[in-house]
Amino acid sequence: GNSVTQMEGPVTLSEEAFLTINCTYTATGYPSLFWYVQYPGEGLQLLLKATKADDKGSNKGFEATYRKETTSFHLEKGSVQVSDSAVYFCALRHSYNQGGKLIFGQGTELSVKP
Amino acid sequence: DTEVTQTPKHLVMGMTNKKSLKCEQHMGHRAMYWYKQKAKKPPELMFVYSYEKLSINESVPSRFSPECPNSSLLNLHLHALQPEDSALYLCASSQGRAGVRETQYFGPGTRLLVL
Repeated sequence: GNSVTQMEGPVTLSEEAFLTINCTYTATGYPSLFWYVQYPGEGLQLLLKATKADDKGSNKGFEATYRKETTSFHLEKGSVQVSDSAVYFCALRHSYNQGGKLIFGQGTELSVKP
Repeated sequence: DTEVTQTPKHLVMGMTNKKSLKCEQHMGHRAMYWYKQKAKKPPELMFVYSYEKLSINESVPSRFSPECPNSSLLNLHLHALQPEDSALYLCASSQGRAGVRETQYFGPGTRLLVL
């Protein structure tokens, strides 16, 4: 079946460090891929998305490229800030899933220290 | 505007109480979702409404009862809950075409504590 695997956290970085959070998926065909961010005590916010192979999603300095050949959608940011501390969820949506439901990874907690 | 609103923000209830959670969106979306999220875990899908009809029930206990009075509103009625039902309850909506490119937009959630 369809699944998403994220690197385990927590990830602790210093401010202005480079961030990579790995995400790989298992799915037939061409799912859409998403990164959601959840700040402490809040709901999920859509961070970025990509709907076909080689698409690059970007928002707020974060980027992720849909790589069909490696079934990956790694999240990157060149210089993190303390305000980026949150839990990041990678997710896929596939029309073959029941009702097109979202399949989430386990989440990666990021902590950025000043 | 991609806003989904949820009320209340926090709710404390006893195991014999009846309460309701409310979700609202004005984006013209025709699919609405309820998720349950435990701390530091991904959201778990509970229910999906598509064009005001229940399309998915992920084997949720009957003490949770969803309702979709119109295309903008989604309620979750709670009755005789257990302490293990304490969690963050998230509402989401999407355009409703059930296509692969649909994006779900989430509300801020209701944090529920069952005593």
